[in-house]
Amino acid sequence: DVKVTQSSRYLVKRTGEKVFLECVQDMDHENMFWYRQDPGLGLRLIYFSYDVKMKEKGDIPEGYSVSREKKERFSLILESASTNQTSMYLCASSWGQGEIDGYTFGSGTRLTVV
Amino acid sequence: GENVEQHPSTLSVQEGDSAVIKCTYSDSASNYFPWYKQELGKRPQLIIDIRSNVGEKKDQRIAVTLNKTAKHFSLHITETQPEDSAVYFCSHLADTPLVFGKGTRLSVIA
Repeated sequence: DVKVTQSSRYLVKRTGEKVFLECVQDMDHENMFWYRQDPGLGLRLIYFSYDVKMKEKGDIPEGYSVSREKKERFSLILESASTNQTSMYLCASSWGQGEIDGYTFGSGTRLTVV
Repeated sequence: GENVEQHPSTLSVQEGDSAVIKCTYSDSASNYFPWYKQELGKRPQLIIDIRSNVGEKKDQRIAVTLNKTAKHFSLHITETQPEDSAVYFCSHLADTPLVFGKGTRLSVIA
């Protein structure tokens, strides 16, 4: 069974902290994505990566950065957490552009910034 | 990325009735249209997809239709069951990563 694993299911962090959200996939997918899910706003793309050490900004990259040192791992970094970054974060991966069988999502990390 | 409009935002149906969710997109280069189902507390999962060279696709009680001229596509669920209750997201793919609609919360009332 293919898997995308997010290291934490729930996180509580303080304002100003640097936060790392980790995502690992075991499907040898080239492409990995970070989305943010908020009620009424759907899934919004933060960053994505089509290859190791490559990254591209999505629709809402402000306040975030990413790291992809290995093919299977894609990390989302909140440089200085703020309360408006309280949200559900979903990692996903895909073959090619995703046109073969869509994206496979992780179970999500619910981050609360206090 | 290009937006996709999804309607309705909430939908309640009686068990056994049909449910229809509609999405509209603007990017004429879009060529792949997957639908995701997200049950409460779980990850979004692909339930059906359609490509631009096909007008309709069925999988048991679920079907998706695509009208490329009008730039809209729809999800149809027949004979709804309580386990169909979830949030459904449409999405589309062109030259950028998947763009998602804002979701439809479907409640199937027994």
